[in-house]
Amino acid sequence: GNSVTQMEGPVTLSEEAFLTINCTYTATGYPSLFWYVQYPGEGLQLLLKATKADDKGSNKGFEATYRKETTSFHLEKGSVQVSDSAVYFCALTGANSKLTFGKGITLSVRP
Amino acid sequence: EAGVAQSPRYKIIEKRQSVAFWCNPISGHATLYWYQQILGQGPKLLIQFQNNGVVDDSQLPKDRFSAERLKGVDSTLKIQPAKLEDSAVYLCASSPRSFPYYGYTFGSGTRLTVV
Repeated sequence: GNSVTQMEGPVTLSEEAFLTINCTYTATGYPSLFWYVQYPGEGLQLLLKATKADDKGSNKGFEATYRKETTSFHLEKGSVQVSDSAVYFCALTGANSKLTFGKGITLSVRP
Repeated sequence: EAGVAQSPRYKIIEKRQSVAFWCNPISGHATLYWYQQILGQGPKLLIQFQNNGVVDDSQLPKDRFSAERLKGVDSTLKIQPAKLEDSAVYLCASSPRSFPYYGYTFGSGTRLTVV
């Protein structure tokens, strides 16, 4: 079945540091890939998505590229802010449209 | 556009009691999902509705969990009787279609604590 593996957390960075959060997946066919974010006390929000190989999703300074050859969808941001502190989930959907999530990783950004 | 509404926000019950959660999806969204998010884990799909029909309930513990979506709009998820391991956040989400490249919109969730 489909699965998503995220790097172990938590991650703590200083403001303006570079961020990379690793995500790899296992899926049959051609899944769509997503990053969701959950800010403290709020619901899950779609951060960005990519629907086919080599697509780059981007939003709020975050980027992720769909790499089929390495089955990866790593999340990056050049300069993090305190307001980026949240839990980040990598997810995918297959032909059945069911979202399968990774375990999530907590990012804390200190001033 | 109004978001996905869920109630209650919090619920504390004793084990073996019953509880129900309510979800009102975004108007016009045909597909509705219930997810269970246990602390420290990613959300897990419990059930998926397309209009008022069940598409996938393979991970729903049917001996104690039930869900319905009346008239293809609102949905309720019930647990009877609750166990300690049911403590989690229950998330409702909706999407305009069941195609994978449409993003879901999630509600804020109901945090259930079973004591």
